[in-house]
Amino acid sequence: KQEVTQIPAALSVPEGENLVLNCSFTDSAIYNLQWFRQDPGKGLTSLLLIQSSQREQTSGRLNASLDKSSGRSTLYIAASQPGDSATYLCAVVLHSSGSARQLTFGSGTQLTVLP
Amino acid sequence: NAGVTQTPKFQVLKTGQSMTLQCAQDMNHEYMSWYRQDPGMGLRLIHYSVGAGITDQGEVPNGYNVSRSTTEDFPLRLLSAAPSQTSVYFCASSNRDSYNEQFFGPGTRLTVL
Repeated sequence: KQEVTQIPAALSVPEGENLVLNCSFTDSAIYNLQWFRQDPGKGLTSLLLIQSSQREQTSGRLNASLDKSSGRSTLYIAASQPGDSATYLCAVVLHSSGSARQLTFGSGTQLTVLP
Repeated sequence: NAGVTQTPKFQVLKTGQSMTLQCAQDMNHEYMSWYRQDPGMGLRLIHYSVGAGITDQGEVPNGYNVSRSTTEDFPLRLLSAAPSQTSVYFCASSNRDSYNEQFFGPGTRLTVL
């Protein structure tokens, strides 16, 4: 069974720092990997999607990388801001999930950016 | 585009009551799904649909029914609510044109007493 692990569970950084969030998965036969942001009491906002054939994706200050062979993805946030404070979730879809396109989520990293 | 919308935002039920959680999307996505989010359990897939008239079970389907009569709407029905169904429910949608990037609604927080 696919397991997705996110380390650290919580992270606190001062404003302006660059930071990296980690995601690892046990089954490398993934269809894609998606990073989400969740604010307290809110829904999930899609940040970046990486197809299995891709190595990285960028959006603004965010850069996500994917290394299928090692079962790892990282989310790099440049020049962090207090507004980046949220829980960040990574999720994978396995090829074996077929039409279900089931997302298997990690438990998240709770990020706090201090002013 | 409103994206994925869900109603209600909050709901309190008594054990045994039934209700329908509404989900709609205006992006013409063929794929829609329901997840529940519980502390320590993460998000788990309840039911999904790959198009109008087609639905299937996910990881935790017991106690829930779905139907998909239109591309836009995918309601989730609780037949006889139980305290174990207290959770936050999220609807999501995607399509192949956007490489199956999944977009989530704002959620419905359900409490069953």
